[in-house]
Amino acid sequence: LAKTTQPISMDSYEGQEVNITCSHNNIATNDYITWYQQFPSQGPRFIIQGYKTKVTNEVASLFIPADRKSSTLSLPRVSLSDTAVYYCLVGGGATNKLIFGTGTLLAVQP
Amino acid sequence: DSGVTQTPKHLITATGQRVTLRCSPRSGDLSVYWYQQSLDQGLQFLIQYYNGEERAKGNILERFSAQQFPDLHSELNLSSLELGDSALYFCASSVGVGAGSDTEAFFGQGTRLTVV
Repeated sequence: LAKTTQPISMDSYEGQEVNITCSHNNIATNDYITWYQQFPSQGPRFIIQGYKTKVTNEVASLFIPADRKSSTLSLPRVSLSDTAVYYCLVGGGATNKLIFGTGTLLAVQP
Repeated sequence: DSGVTQTPKHLITATGQRVTLRCSPRSGDLSVYWYQQSLDQGLQFLIQYYNGEERAKGNILERFSAQQFPDLHSELNLSSLELGDSALYFCASSVGVGAGSDTEAFFGQGTRLTVV
């Protein structure tokens, strides 16, 4: 089962771009990389998913290098409302489990 | 609104008791996942059901059990409750089994269980 490692916390200011990197050295061939966002006392919410290279949607970008041993979630121009815990998940392959790591607490300040 | 409904929202019960948490997945979703989130342990995967069958198991205690019914709703039963079982319990659902690219799960608002 692929284990993920993320920074425990990050600080940023409004309007800045934030990049959160996740390490997943043991990622399997069939595994996808998925990021979720969680606000206090709420269930996690899907942000973005990718397999390789770069994926972009209306809220974020996901960069995945060729070896897929890491990934970077990029949040453009964060606002106070982006303060949350961000989880990187690696799975959906043979394990069929959606396992959450410890997550990264992003604190956005004015 | 994710489309996943969990009841009750809050539950306070005494040690040694048994409770049942209920989850209704999004319309059309066949997989249901259960997670426990406490302050010191993060979001722990408990168990997954797909179309009525157990699909994957995490660190679920023997005192806990779950099932998914023919109408696809699921129940998580917690028995012989201990103080340490106090946590937020989340249910999530997804369309498929959670394999391949099917890693988008939709979470309910959770049930906050307090054991006193």
